[in-house]
Amino acid sequence: KAGVTQTPRYLIKTRGQQVTLSCSPISGHRSVSWYQQTPGQGLQFLFEYFSETQRNKGNFPGRFSGRQFSNSRSEMNVSTLELGDSALYLCASSGTRGYQETQYFGPGTRLLVL
Amino acid sequence: AQSVTQPDIHITVSEGASLELRCNYSYGATPYLFWYVQSPGQGLQLLLKYFSGDTLVQGIKGFEAEFKRSQSSFNLRKPSVHWSDAAEYFCAVGVRNYGGSQGNLIFGKGTKLSVKP
Repeated sequence: KAGVTQTPRYLIKTRGQQVTLSCSPISGHRSVSWYQQTPGQGLQFLFEYFSETQRNKGNFPGRFSGRQFSNSRSEMNVSTLELGDSALYLCASSGTRGYQETQYFGPGTRLLVL
Repeated sequence: AQSVTQPDIHITVSEGASLELRCNYSYGATPYLFWYVQSPGQGLQLLLKYFSGDTLVQGIKGFEAEFKRSQSSFNLRKPSVHWSDAAEYFCAVGVRNYGGSQGNLIFGKGTKLSVKP
């Protein structure tokens, strides 16, 4: 069973540019959530999507947006990049296996903003 | 405002010893509670979660955690630590929100666990 896939794995951008990150969840999982991890701020929740609807959102500015497609794949977009957006961006997919809800994380996309 | 405190930045235990990682939260209602582990080889992984019901929660890799409402705590325990448990551990609080299964998560700063042979 394939795991959670994130592309690209590494990315270098300059201030002011925009970036789109992609996450392919585990087959059958309908929920995708996104997280930002930095040395200074630690782990922070960005948003969660379920069946193409955003149902939770963390405390991030409007420059951070996301969407989910009908096949559950998700993208997040950051516009007008700032140096502080340099981070590891993780996505997780959640689904039900039997009676248990499970969650699996992807390897992350490491973004460097210069 | 909601917050999560992991008082111990770094803990070292001997292999085979018991482990308890502390987590305290501030939230006005009954939260969702989570423990995650992050290691270089395994990435980030959900260890266990509490949504409701039994306050003692069993997770993967032999870990368990107990929700104590009166102490606003959700401490993680393992009876016998293995060298492979060396990693960073994050506690998180899920702020219940409309339609969400986990709520808006707030993470602690993490506790780094080292294991002595």
